[in-house]
Amino acid sequence: KAGVTQTPRYLIKTRGQQVTLSCSPISGHRSVSWYQQTPGQGLQFLFEYFSETQRNKGNFPGRFSGRQFSNSRSEMNVSTLELGDSALYLCASSFETLDGLNEKLFFGSGTQLSVL
Amino acid sequence: DQQVKQNSPSLSVQEGRISILNCDYTNSMFDYFLWYKKYPAEGPTFLISISSIKDKNEDGRFTVFLNKSAKHLSLHIVPSQPGDSAVYFCAASPQDNAGNMLTFGGGTRLMVKP
Repeated sequence: KAGVTQTPRYLIKTRGQQVTLSCSPISGHRSVSWYQQTPGQGLQFLFEYFSETQRNKGNFPGRFSGRQFSNSRSEMNVSTLELGDSALYLCASSFETLDGLNEKLFFGSGTQLSVL
Repeated sequence: DQQVKQNSPSLSVQEGRISILNCDYTNSMFDYFLWYKKYPAEGPTFLISISSIKDKNEDGRFTVFLNKSAKHLSLHIVPSQPGDSAVYFCAASPQDNAGNMLTFGGGTRLMVKP
């Protein structure tokens, strides 16, 4: 079974630009979450999507957005990039049972974003 | 407001000895806890979890202990191996539903010396 795939692995952008990151979850997983990892703040939850709907949202500005497609693949977008957006962006997927229980998260290797 | 804290940024242990990684939390609503291990340039990988109805969960060399009254959990690795050298994150969720929002600690870098 293929793992969680994130593309691209590395990105360099300049301030003010926008960026789109992609995530393909493990087959059969319908929940996709996004996390930001920075040296100072650790791993912080961005948002979670389930069946194309945003189900949970972390404490990030509106410049951070995402979506999920019918095949469970997800994208996140950051507009008007700031230097502080430089981070490792991690996508994770999980399998949710019919009674709403989620198994553990499986993470991708992440997209390292550098904003210059 | 850090709801999950790992107060030791790093830990060095000799191969074969026990590694004990600690984690404290403040939110009483957390009742499901997980440990993840992360190597450089890779995503975190799940190690072990524990529900608040238990105080101990064991999986091979890894054991997690939960003290709800103290809002404290710990991960024991016995015996430690050089391949265990990585950053360890504890995470918490308000329900037995890891697909929802996880709150992570800042991580502890474990170095196991041969």
